[in-house]
Amino acid sequence: IAGITQAPTSQILAAGRRMTLRCTQDMRHNAMYWYRQDLGLGLRLIHYSNTAGTTGKGEVPDGYSVSRANTDDFPLTLASAVPSQTSVYFCASSPIAGDTDTQYFGPGTRLTVL
Amino acid sequence: GQNIDQPTEMTATEGAIVQINCTYQTSGFNGLFWYQQHAGEAPTFLSYNVLDGLEEKGRFSSFLSRSKGYSYLLLKELQMKDSASYLCASIDSNYQLIWGAGTKLIIKP
Repeated sequence: IAGITQAPTSQILAAGRRMTLRCTQDMRHNAMYWYRQDLGLGLRLIHYSNTAGTTGKGEVPDGYSVSRANTDDFPLTLASAVPSQTSVYFCASSPIAGDTDTQYFGPGTRLTVL
Repeated sequence: GQNIDQPTEMTATEGAIVQINCTYQTSGFNGLFWYQQHAGEAPTFLSYNVLDGLEEKGRFSSFLSRSKGYSYLLLKELQMKDSASYLCASIDSNYQLIWGAGTKLIIKP
């Protein structure tokens, strides 16, 4: 099934714990993105990757890290979670980076940090 | 700074027409997207405008005025399933998307 998958769907996490959110796409898109979405705010870009092997920082990168070992996978890691990282996290991909291509979104991960 | 403004919430009646406005201020401009997001779901693409004017796609149309930094999404023949949030996003000079907070559209019978 073509598209983007994210795991887990939701998670409750104790503050200070390490957590990796998984994202996989099978559309062979070059670019991938991680956003967080909070009530009353627009989607905010955390990190992005224009192609496998490269990553870049978005608007709100602090406290998060990413890797892009291959085209399909783009995991997001919270090294030591804090309550302010409670949010809905969306992974997205687009065929070409730095272009006006449509972004395709995964179903999201709802993360609660206590 | 970069900024996208759109109304927080709008209410409309089933079968009617509604216009959702979006104004943007970004460093450079490479187009504007509209996405639809149902509650608890991912955003999905609706439209992309880069040239001035109106683009129609079925019941949905999107308009852009680059000189005014203004866009709107027009929804006709509203259906209950159109109840959702509508996100406006502008592409800046670095080809990064700048997102608005979204407009929650409530459709009443």
